[in-house]
Amino acid sequence: GAGVSQSPSNKVTEKGKDVELRCDPISGHTALYWYRQSLGQGLEFLIYFQGNSAPDKSGLPSDRFSAERTGGSVSTLTIQRTQQEDSAVYLCASREGVNEKLFFGSGTQLSVL
Amino acid sequence: AQKITQTQPGMFVQEKEAVTLDCTYDTSDPSYGLFWYKQPSSGEMIFLIYQGSYDQQNATEGRYSLNFQKARKSANLVISASQLGDSAMYFCAMSSPRAGNMLTFGGGTRLMVKP
Repeated sequence: GAGVSQSPSNKVTEKGKDVELRCDPISGHTALYWYRQSLGQGLEFLIYFQGNSAPDKSGLPSDRFSAERTGGSVSTLTIQRTQQEDSAVYLCASREGVNEKLFFGSGTQLSVL
Repeated sequence: AQKITQTQPGMFVQEKEAVTLDCTYDTSDPSYGLFWYKQPSSGEMIFLIYQGSYDQQNATEGRYSLNFQKARKSANLVISASQLGDSAMYFCAMSSPRAGNMLTFGGGTRLMVKP
């Protein structure tokens, strides 16, 4: 596709359930980022994939959060045993090179009831 | 660690006037990139402008310009001739090799353009 694609666009889940969020980056982009944005707040870094290197997981808030990137393309962010404080917009972004601009997806709005 | 600070949580500007949104940064890396993004109420993140740390001239993109003052570690965004559609959140961000090329964002400034 022409841009970064995220699915689902909205997800409502019950506390304690697991959720999977998907990101399909722009073809050829080697770097992929996940960010979280709570209502009215800035972007909180979660995890970063660069090519075949080990991902930078330093932003993951707890061990309930994990992410993988298969074949250097599609990425899945998994949140286990969701909590109400996990409610936020989860944004995925990709870019081609180090000093290139980030292209963002439209985000997944996660609501944990 | 790198850090981005945006000290203005909210700003008003009169339509057709210019406005400056402040951004200061902190890094020990001599090579870094600075970015500005716009986030309207729809939630999408729109890239506005980029400045490399070794660029000699300030970046410009249409009505947007970046006032880069390296010694002061500031990268303020200047929007000329404000339009109602400029009302949005604006985020400053930085990327550097020493930080693993992670893009770190400031807390944002909400700009409101008055008719």
